Amino acid sequence: SQTIHQWPATLVQPVGSPLSLECTVEGTSNPNLYWYRQAAGRGLQLLFYSVGIGQISSEVPQNLSASRPQDRQFILSSKKLLLSDSGFYLCACGLTDTQYFGPGTRLTVL
Amino acid sequence: KQEVTQIPAALSVPEGENLVLNCSFTDSAIYNLQWFRQDPGKGLTSLLLIQSSQREQTSGRLNASLDKSSGRSTLYIAASQPGDSATYLCAVMGGGSQGNLIFGKGTKLSVKP
Repeated sequence: SQTIHQWPATLVQPVGSPLSLECTVEGTSNPNLYWYRQAAGRGLQLLFYSVGIGQISSEVPQNLSASRPQDRQFILSSKKLLLSDSGFYLCACGLTDTQYFGPGTRLTVL
Repeated sequence: KQEVTQIPAALSVPEGENLVLNCSFTDSAIYNLQWFRQDPGKGLTSLLLIQSSQREQTSGRLNASLDKSSGRSTLYIAASQPGDSATYLCAVMGGGSQGNLIFGKGTKLSVKP
């Protein structure tokens, strides 16, 4: 069965600093990969998804970008963080009819 | 655009009660509907998945129903326990190869001993 790793688990960053969150998947190949953000008082918002290496689709315009350099690696980045980027970031792996979620990264931008 | 709504936003019940969580969606053209559980500060765990052609699914004390034509689903939890305390999320999957999920904001359940 698949396992999803995310790091770091928590992160506190100043406004204007860069960001790199990493997600790796074990136990499957060529999965669909997703980045979600969960902000306080809001639902889970899909940010990016990828159906293959180098293929990224963005769901909302924002300060963030995503890359998929390897089949089972998905990276979320920003050049300059905003206060509004604070939240809980979840990576997910899609297989057939469902998605499996990683443990998440709690990002606080001060 | 698909929208998913969950009612109530929060629910507190004494241990042992049976309870129902509600989910509604605006576009009935779904591929499937899923219920997830999220513990504080954790990722999501899939509880039940109902295909669009199915009416319900059961797992232990959990039963989920789907009425696609009316855009509704319910999650029934029997004999609730303190360990059931968590946020429950409903999500629908539309068609297309990307398999995107649209989530509701969740129902935060607290079961008091």
